[in-house]
Amino acid sequence: AQSVTQLGSHVSVSEGALVLLRCNYSSSVPPYLFWYVQYPNQGLQLLLKYTTGATLVKGINGFEAEFKKSETSFHLTKPSAHMSDAAEYFCAVSDSSRGSQGNLIFGKGTKLSVKP
Amino acid sequence: GAGVSQSPSNKVTEKGKDVELRCDPISGHTALYWYRQSLGQGLEFLIYFQGNSAPDKSGLPSDRFSAERTGGSVSTLTIQRTQQEDSAVYLCASSFPWGGLTGELFFGEGSRLTVL
Repeated sequence: AQSVTQLGSHVSVSEGALVLLRCNYSSSVPPYLFWYVQYPNQGLQLLLKYTTGATLVKGINGFEAEFKKSETSFHLTKPSAHMSDAAEYFCAVSDSSRGSQGNLIFGKGTKLSVKP
Repeated sequence: GAGVSQSPSNKVTEKGKDVELRCDPISGHTALYWYRQSLGQGLEFLIYFQGNSAPDKSGLPSDRFSAERTGGSVSTLTIQRTQQEDSAVYLCASSFPWGGLTGELFFGEGSRLTVL
């Protein structure tokens, strides 16, 4: 069965600093991996995804993530944090155990704070 | 509207009462998902619909929880005899078929349930 672990429930960075949010997954099949972002009092929106092909994927707002099979990781990065990046970030893996019906398994989330 | 619409946005109820939460998906989306978001617990999968049928109900936490979908559109999540541990934000998402593979789930803003 698939699972997702996000290291650090809360990460704080200064504006302009590197953002690194960690995600490790467990999957017995090649995974499809996703990052979602949730701004306060809003629903989740897809930030970026890895399905096949290039292992470095770019998303919205300058975020990118790299799929590393050997490390079973899919960490999210952004070179320079902006105040507007403050939000909660969720890593997710597609749940192929349910016959690829389309469910996602989410991590517990990492809340990103950006200090001026 | 263009997005996933959920109602009510906020619901406060007394322990033991029944509640109904509604989700209106994006037009044309055949897949619909319910998740529960509790503080510090991330997103917990509840149930998935493809059209009006629910191939996966495995996430429903107890028989007090039920959901239906009619006309391939609106879905209602019903919680009977609510308990305090049911307090959470209930998120609905919709997608085209195979949304869980592409990660293209579109989320509503959620219904916040508080059980006193």
